[in-house]
Amino acid sequence: QSALTQPASVSGSPGQSITVSCTGGSSDVGGYKYVSWYKQYPGKAPKLIIYEVSNRPSGVSDRFSGSKSGNTASLTISGLQSEDEADYYCSSYTSRHTFVFGTGTEVTVL
Amino acid sequence: EVQLVESGGGLVQPGGSLRLSCAASGFTFSTYWMQWVRQAPGEGLVWVSRIASDATTTYADSVKGRFTISRDNAKNMLYLEMDSLRAEDTAVYYCARAYYSSSWTQLDYWGQGTLVTVSS
Repeated sequence: QSALTQPASVSGSPGQSITVSCTGGSSDVGGYKYVSWYKQYPGKAPKLIIYEVSNRPSGVSDRFSGSKSGNTASLTISGLQSEDEADYYCSSYTSRHTFVFGTGTEVTVL
Repeated sequence: EVQLVESGGGLVQPGGSLRLSCAASGFTFSTYWMQWVRQAPGEGLVWVSRIASDATTTYADSVKGRFTISRDNAKNMLYLEMDSLRAEDTAVYYCARAYYSSSWTQLDYWGQGTLVTVSS
């Protein structure tokens, strides 16, 4: 199972909105509503920020939102803040009853 | 408070074996699905394996036949038995709890990770 494709890096200025894409195929992203997004600071464990495409866990800022169109899921961060600078990974359930992560995106706040 | 604490990592020679453990607390362990995810140094997250509450298991192709996930609900413990280790298995291994919404497909709590280094 190949990793889902994410841009290596995305950047934006404070207050701006940015979008991170996550592209798979019909056997993973396109076939299910089970796409999650994780935020990871260097040397730390990942944290769940979006599940089932667009749901936010309790305690996660509403500046984070998720969506999906076809085989591509997207994470949008609005009102970009310095604390948003981290690595972001998507994940999807697959038709083989396994899971696959994305390649990861480094978000930089300029 | 939910806590997941991994242990058992270390240096092992290629072809060797290692067993990772994950001690769970703060929730009813037996009712949750659990997963192992790994991350090679400087690389991205890679899914390894999952075990359901009924102990059914699935594995990534890269570890199938070499790794075995298991659980001991009486001890609130998750395990990953790793055999025939290769250099490419070198990574930080995280155990994570799957959260149920309409599926068990999201990981809401993660341990701090344990480093496995495969090298001669």
